[in-house]
Amino acid sequence: EDQVTQSPEALRLQEGESSSLNCSYTVSGLRGLFWYRQDPGKGPEFLFTLYSAGEEKEKERLKATLTKKESFLHITAPKPEDSATYLCAVLSNDYKLSFGAGTTVTVRA
Amino acid sequence: DSGVTQTPKHLITATGQRVTLRCSPRSGDLSVYWYQQSLDQGLQFLIQYYNGEERAKGNILERFSAQQFPDLHSELNLSSLELGDSALYFCASSVGGGPRNEQFFGPGTRLTVL
Repeated sequence: EDQVTQSPEALRLQEGESSSLNCSYTVSGLRGLFWYRQDPGKGPEFLFTLYSAGEEKEKERLKATLTKKESFLHITAPKPEDSATYLCAVLSNDYKLSFGAGTTVTVRA
Repeated sequence: DSGVTQTPKHLITATGQRVTLRCSPRSGDLSVYWYQQSLDQGLQFLIQYYNGEERAKGNILERFSAQQFPDLHSELNLSSLELGDSALYFCASSVGGGPRNEQFFGPGTRLTVL
């Protein structure tokens, strides 16, 4: 069975304190790995799609990387507006989409 | 604002009842996806429709059904409701039907079953 594990569950950062979130996965062949941001009471917002090991994508203070067994979401010099829950999802070869439980990031000014 | 609309925002009902959730995709999007998000199970993919046809099925219970109409809006029907069905139900839409298409999520419908 496909499994997606995100760590840590929660992360408290000071503004400007860079950190990384982890998404490790076990899947029967990876077709794609997705990162989403979700604010409380709202729907997820798409951030990145990664398709193959070694791929990296960047958007503002966020950078996502992918290896054969895990993905990292790096947050560089975060600001309070980066506070949110970050979700990782993997799409397997048989087109099943599985989400992790998320990492809740709180950035204090 | 993603451009995806969902109604109602909140729904409170009793066990055993049936409810219908509605979703209008972004203009031009042909695919609609339904998700359930609960505290204990996280975000779970339920089902996808593309241009009126079922395209992919996830962890959708037999008590649940969905359809996509010719105007591309979609409805998710939940019947014989149980306490455990209380959750946030999200709809998302995308231009294409392939799983790699970027999905845009609506604001969700919060269902409470008492």
